[in-house]
Amino acid sequence: AQSVTQLDSQVPVFEEAPVELRCNYSSSVSVYLFWYVQYPNQGLQLLLKYLSGSTLVESINGFEAEFNKSQTSFHLRKPSVHISDTAEYFCAVRGTGANNLFFGTGTRLTVIP
Amino acid sequence: DVKVTQSSRYLVKRTGEKVFLECVQDMDHENMFWYRQDPGLGLRLIYFSYDVKMKEKGDIPEGYSVSREKKERFSLILESASTNQTSMYLCASSLSGGAWYGYTFGSGTRLTVV
Repeated sequence: AQSVTQLDSQVPVFEEAPVELRCNYSSSVSVYLFWYVQYPNQGLQLLLKYLSGSTLVESINGFEAEFNKSQTSFHLRKPSVHISDTAEYFCAVRGTGANNLFFGTGTRLTVIP
Repeated sequence: DVKVTQSSRYLVKRTGEKVFLECVQDMDHENMFWYRQDPGLGLRLIYFSYDVKMKEKGDIPEGYSVSREKKERFSLILESASTNQTSMYLCASSLSGGAWYGYTFGSGTRLTVV
């Protein structure tokens, strides 16, 4: 069975400070992992994904996530956040069959000026 | 730019009304999904469809039905709206099989039932 745990429901951080959003998963199939971002009053957008290969994946706006098989984690990090990063972030893991993406409950990142 | 389009951003309906939420995708995706999003609960799957005229119940199908008469369109129906169905509704689509690219989401419909 597949599941995702996002350990922090809310993360406040000052502008230009580093941030880590935590995600742990369980999966009985080959692991594909995703981070989605949801800006206020919008749908979810794919931020980055791990399918295979390098365990460190990056997004175009400076976020990165590292797949750690031994710790079953896929934490999202950014070395210096901006006000525009304020959003809700969802971690997801592939499942089986047509319904094949399982989401965590989300982490609300608030960047404080 | 490929898209999933939800017909309404905001809707206000009265208790007992029949409500239709429409979703259209232009990516020729086989799979389509309806989620509701509530604070602290994340995304919960209501129904999904992996082919035209096919549907499967998700985690919380009670009080909802769906229709998929064409590949590009997936409708969510609230047979008799109730106040506990006030929520953000998100439609998504994905490819079936092959390389895995994740889901593409619409912008959401915020439904208020009064």
